[in-house]
Amino acid sequence: QLQLQESGPGLVKPSETLSLTCTVSGDSVSSRYYYWGWIRQPPGKGLEWIGSIFYTGTAYYNPSLKSRVTISVDTSKNHFSLKLSSVTAADTAVYYCARDLGAVAGIYDYWGQGSLLTVSS
Amino acid sequence: QSVLTQPPSVSGAPGQRVTISCAGSSSNLGAGYDVHWFQQFPGTAPKLLISGNINRPSGVPDRFSGSKSGTSASLAITGLQAEDEADYYCQSYDTSLSALVFGGGTKLTVL
Repeated sequence: QLQLQESGPGLVKPSETLSLTCTVSGDSVSSRYYYWGWIRQPPGKGLEWIGSIFYTGTAYYNPSLKSRVTISVDTSKNHFSLKLSSVTAADTAVYYCARDLGAVAGIYDYWGQGSLLTVSS
Repeated sequence: QSVLTQPPSVSGAPGQRVTISCAGSSSNLGAGYDVHWFQQFPGTAPKLLISGNINRPSGVPDRFSGSKSGTSASLAITGLQAEDEADYYCQSYDTSLSALVFGGGTKLTVL
């Protein structure tokens, strides 16, 4: 059974860089059939796509965040990661990682449980 | 403000049929991009409910169905049950934004 698990610091100071990792078990991030994505949800609000990555390292980003986002994949550790720089309170959200059945298709069939990240001094 | 517009809330009595609309434009649904639907309960991750406009993943009851026409899409739930009370999101790709986009979400209340 595929499982995704986000891990991160929980609290980040304004202007710092947020780092999250999604560890995949039960499948391989090296699969040529899937993309892997990050989606976030501010408290009480809707979902926002952050970006997606393929095992080759090819990544696609939401243009609204592109200048601050880097998504990478480590096939040896079977995980992929998110870095978001220059964070502000507006970046406070639950961050989800998920498997995409298509090439940036948004068909997220498996999700992590989510990791709440709070930006505060 | 999302480029996919959903009603903030809908409600229905047990056993009834409800529909949730998702209005797009020529740069997303109207451009031929598929719509997908997700169900989310409080404090949990979203769950894929409908993919590719009309397809139900394994395990999703056939009470849930999707449709798409032109620049809009709908999720229909028949035989409404108390356990269906959740938030529902539509999602597609927008070529003007070059991004995957979600609707603002619809809260379904079972009366």
